[in-house]
Amino acid sequence: AQTVTQSQPEMSVQEAETVTLSCTYDTSESDYYLFWYKQPPSRQMILVIRQEAYKQQNATENRFSVNFQKAAKSFSLKISDSQLGDAAMYFCAYRFLYNQGGKLIFGQGTELSVKP
Amino acid sequence: NAGVMQNPRHLVRRRGQEARLRCSPMKGHSHVYWYRQLPEEGLKFMVYLQKENIIDESGMPKERFSAEFPKEGPSILRIQQVVRGDSAAYFCASSPPLGSGHTFGSGTRLTVV
Repeated sequence: AQTVTQSQPEMSVQEAETVTLSCTYDTSESDYYLFWYKQPPSRQMILVIRQEAYKQQNATENRFSVNFQKAAKSFSLKISDSQLGDAAMYFCAYRFLYNQGGKLIFGQGTELSVKP
Repeated sequence: NAGVMQNPRHLVRRRGQEARLRCSPMKGHSHVYWYRQLPEEGLKFMVYLQKENIIDESGMPKERFSAEFPKEGPSILRIQQVVRGDSAAYFCASSPPLGSGHTFGSGTRLTVV
């Protein structure tokens, strides 16, 4: 069975600094997707970034980038130039496609606080 | 283009009552997923549906919980005879066929008193 592990329940970063959130996963599949979602206090789940496993190039979205290490089954999120609005719960998620769709398997989450 | 619509936003039920949670997927999305988030935890998959079919219900509790996605109308997650432990946020998400990501609704917070 696929599992996703986030080993950092809480992280803190100074405004304008860089922080890295860790995620590891376990799967026997070779083709899958990985995601980082942000959940602010409003509870809305917001997609931050996605990575296709077949792509060697790490995904980047503005201040957000990932370090995808397929052999090590590691998928960390780097937030550069942290802003107060980045404070939220961050969830790493794995998805394997089947029946043209596929559920998400989430990690336990990392609560990020940003200090002014 | 409206996103995933869930209602109600908040639902309070007494123990033993039934709870019905509704989800209308994004236009063009034929795949619906339900997730549950207990306090201080991540989201846990419950069920994956396509129109009139349950594809994967491996995360659904064996009793009291059911889900449907009829040909017409929203997807419904039904919880019969609710207990305090059912109190949680329930999220619906949708995706197009072969789409790589989910679009989430705002969730329904169920409180059982």
